[in-house]
Amino acid sequence: DVKVTQSSRYLVKRTGEKVFLECVQDMDHENMFWYRQDPGLGLRLIYFSYDVKMKEKGDIPEGYSVSREKKERFSLILESASTNQTSMYLCASHNEAGATYNEQFFGPGTRLTVL
Amino acid sequence: AQSVAQPEDQVNVAEGNPLTVKCTYSVSGNPYLFWYVQYPNRGLQFLLKYITGDNLVKGSYGFEAEFNKSQTSFHLKKPSALVSDSALYFCAVRLSWGTTDSWGKLQFGAGTQVVVTP
Repeated sequence: DVKVTQSSRYLVKRTGEKVFLECVQDMDHENMFWYRQDPGLGLRLIYFSYDVKMKEKGDIPEGYSVSREKKERFSLILESASTNQTSMYLCASHNEAGATYNEQFFGPGTRLTVL
Repeated sequence: AQSVAQPEDQVNVAEGNPLTVKCTYSVSGNPYLFWYVQYPNRGLQFLLKYITGDNLVKGSYGFEAEFNKSQTSFHLKKPSALVSDSALYFCAVRLSWGTTDSWGKLQFGAGTQVVVTP
């Protein structure tokens, strides 16, 4: 079975802290994504990576950075957490073999609260 | 740029009745469309996708979706809803293969909350 895991289901941090969210996939997928989910806004792409050490900004990268040192692991970093980063964070992975338009596989999410 | 609209924040339906969740899209080129479901405190689960071919796509848990090119819609349907279908549903569209800035990225709608009452 395909599996995407995230390091924490719930996380509470204080303003100004550095926060690491970890995501691991066991499917040998090239592409990995970080989204945030807010009510009424759907999922918005923060960053994605299409290979080890390769990354691209998504629609809302401000205040975030990412790291992909190994193929299976994609980390989201909040350099200095702020209250407006309180949200649900979802990681996904994806593999494209030819032009098959495969679906993305999602982790369970991390609900982050910044106080 | 592509976009997806889900015009209803919430859909209420009685158990056993037909369920429809609406989605319209805007893309340049061929649309590649997906439906996902999210149960409370869970990640998204893939339901079905339209890539090409038959306009009626069948997916998981008895769901199907109808692609309508002239109306630019991709509505999700289930003939007989269950209480367990109560969840948040997302429609998504992606860019064509080979398009710059593609990489399997999806553009999601805002989501529709489905409430099925016994």
